[in-house]
Amino acid sequence: NAGVTQTPKFRVLKTGQSMTLLCAQDMNHEYMYWYRQDPGMGLRLIHYSVGEGTTAKGEVPDGYNVSRLKKQNFLLGLESAAPSQTSVYFCASSGQGSNQPQHFGDGTRLSIL
Amino acid sequence: SQQGEEDPQALSIQEGENATMNCSYKTSINNLQWYRQNSGRGLVHLILIRSNEREKHSGRLRVTLDTSKKSSSLLITASRAADTASYFCATRYGGSQGNLIFGKGTKLSVKP
Repeated sequence: NAGVTQTPKFRVLKTGQSMTLLCAQDMNHEYMYWYRQDPGMGLRLIHYSVGEGTTAKGEVPDGYNVSRLKKQNFLLGLESAAPSQTSVYFCASSGQGSNQPQHFGDGTRLSIL
Repeated sequence: SQQGEEDPQALSIQEGENATMNCSYKTSINNLQWYRQNSGRGLVHLILIRSNEREKHSGRLRVTLDTSKKSSSLLITASRAADTASYFCATRYGGSQGNLIFGKGTKLSVKP
């Protein structure tokens, strides 16, 4: 059972470089999310999607863009990476409805030098 | 941010003991969820309690919710070394379209 798969698992970037984090889920979930986790901060929502072709801003969207062209995939882009974006990024998915749990990938550890 | 806050931040116990973690939140919620995160891994959903429920059990887990005090507790009974992890509460507010607000977590260490 793959669940939620994130690629890459690790990446080091230089300031100003761009990259895309990939998230794929095989549970036919409508909702998908991108979070960042920093020490002592818990998880903070960057962007989310409630269906194919739709995206919305979360708590900390600045510096990131997302796309959901296919239901199973949710992409997170950094156009011009900054050291403040050094973090662990988690993708999650869930079914529709307020009582659905979220299912998480194992994260992408990103360092910006 | 309307964030839940876990207490304590860290907890160290011996195998076989019970572990209790608490979560407080700020406004009315639809439900409250608890997640576990093992080191280097993603979060795993443990249990969900709805706003109209007061207690819920799942195996060795017991969750209580007190909406008048805006607080919840997670009890792990007869803890095992494998329970060593960080535990997060997450609250879902009305009209949030599925979004959860996570607390900062309690780091539990169970010593064999």
